[in-house]
Amino acid sequence: DAKTTQPNSMESNEEEPVHLPCNHSTISGTDYIHWYRQLPSQGPEYVIHGLTSNVNNRMASLAIAEDRKSSTLILHRATLRDAAVYYCILRRSQGGSEKLVFGKGTKLTVNP
Amino acid sequence: ETGVTQTPRHLVMGMTNKKSLKCEQHLGHNAMYWYKQSAKKPLELMFVYNFKEQTENNSVPSRFSPECPNSSHLFLHLHTLQPEDSALYLCASSRGGAKQSTDTQYFGPGTRLTVL
Repeated sequence: DAKTTQPNSMESNEEEPVHLPCNHSTISGTDYIHWYRQLPSQGPEYVIHGLTSNVNNRMASLAIAEDRKSSTLILHRATLRDAAVYYCILRRSQGGSEKLVFGKGTKLTVNP
Repeated sequence: ETGVTQTPRHLVMGMTNKKSLKCEQHLGHNAMYWYKQSAKKPLELMFVYNFKEQTENNSVPSRFSPECPNSSHLFLHLHTLQPEDSALYLCASSRGGAKQSTDTQYFGPGTRLTVL
């Protein structure tokens, strides 16, 4: 199964942009790149996903490398509420079964 | 509030006990999932149900027994667990169907399980 690699932790200051990297060098053509985050004492929540093109939504942007071997989640203006563990996930569906590969996640600390 | 509820939120059990975890989703989804989150380890997918049929079992020991009576409810029956099974057990749901790779999963708050 394809795996992801993320830094264990990152720090940012409030209202500054944050770039969270993820390496997935063994990604296959059918793998979608999903990002979820987990706030303290909560279950994970969806942030964004993409396949080949860069994606934007109200929460974040996802920049995908041309060879798809890496991606970057971009939080344009970090707030204290963005402090969480961010997971980069490859999702593949084969024959109706679900394949999910979680990284260890990056713990983001946001300083006031 | 994600629309996915889990009970109980906390559970302490002995190794000889039998208990069940319950998950309920109010989102009209057709796929439901059980995950295990241990300290310092990545989230592990345990089971997947799609339209009440189990479609994934990631080599989970038989002391964990899932049950999906309908698309809205998912149970995880526990018996003769080990202390190393102590973890946060998370339930999730998604629309399900063939396009699962683009599905968004909605997670419940989890059940914190401690096995003594």
